[in-house]
Amino acid sequence: KAGVTQTPRYLIKTRGQQVTLSCSPISGHRSVSWYQQTPGQGLQFLFEYFSETQRNKGNFPGRFSGRQFSNSRSEMNVSTLELGDSALYLCASSEISGGNEQFFGPGTRLTVL
Amino acid sequence: AQSVTQPDIHITVSEGASLELRCNYSYGATPYLFWYVQSPGQGLQLLLKYFSGDTLVQGIKGFEAEFKRSQSSFNLRKPSVHWSDAAEYFCAVGARGNTPLVFGKGTRLSVIA
Repeated sequence: KAGVTQTPRYLIKTRGQQVTLSCSPISGHRSVSWYQQTPGQGLQFLFEYFSETQRNKGNFPGRFSGRQFSNSRSEMNVSTLELGDSALYLCASSEISGGNEQFFGPGTRLTVL
Repeated sequence: AQSVTQPDIHITVSEGASLELRCNYSYGATPYLFWYVQSPGQGLQLLLKYFSGDTLVQGIKGFEAEFKRSQSSFNLRKPSVHWSDAAEYFCAVGARGNTPLVFGKGTRLSVIA
């Protein structure tokens, strides 16, 4: 099976812009989770979608949002970008929801100038 | 709430030496435990997992980990480290149900000749 894919791999934006990141899970996986990784904060959970429904949400402002489509592909959107949003955004897929084995994509490196 | 502590931020070992990375967790019930490895600029790769049963689990790349309930620990070990093992290692705890995985801050492993 193909692994988790994320597009784009690299992105440069300026403050105030918005950005959309995409994630395609492993075939058959219905759960997609998103994480933000920074040197200072480590891996922080953003949200999880399962069968097009948001199941869990981390402690991030409303500027961070996501959705999942019927084919399990997921997108996350960040509006009104801030310098502090510069990070590696990781997507992970799993067969079932919650704290189970997750398979990670390579990530999208977002730089906000 | 679940939490994971990796006490060592950075460890340096000589090639061929043994390795032990520490992980302590806090969780009320029997946890699901994971070790992931991340090479620079890449996503996370699952090394091994513990759900139940035998407390000594074998993983990929010659790694193993032992679940010790009395010490709330899940330490990762390798008898002989190779230069290619230099990376960041993350311990994570999960559970059956809807709660998301919780990750430790990571331990960076350097390998010297």
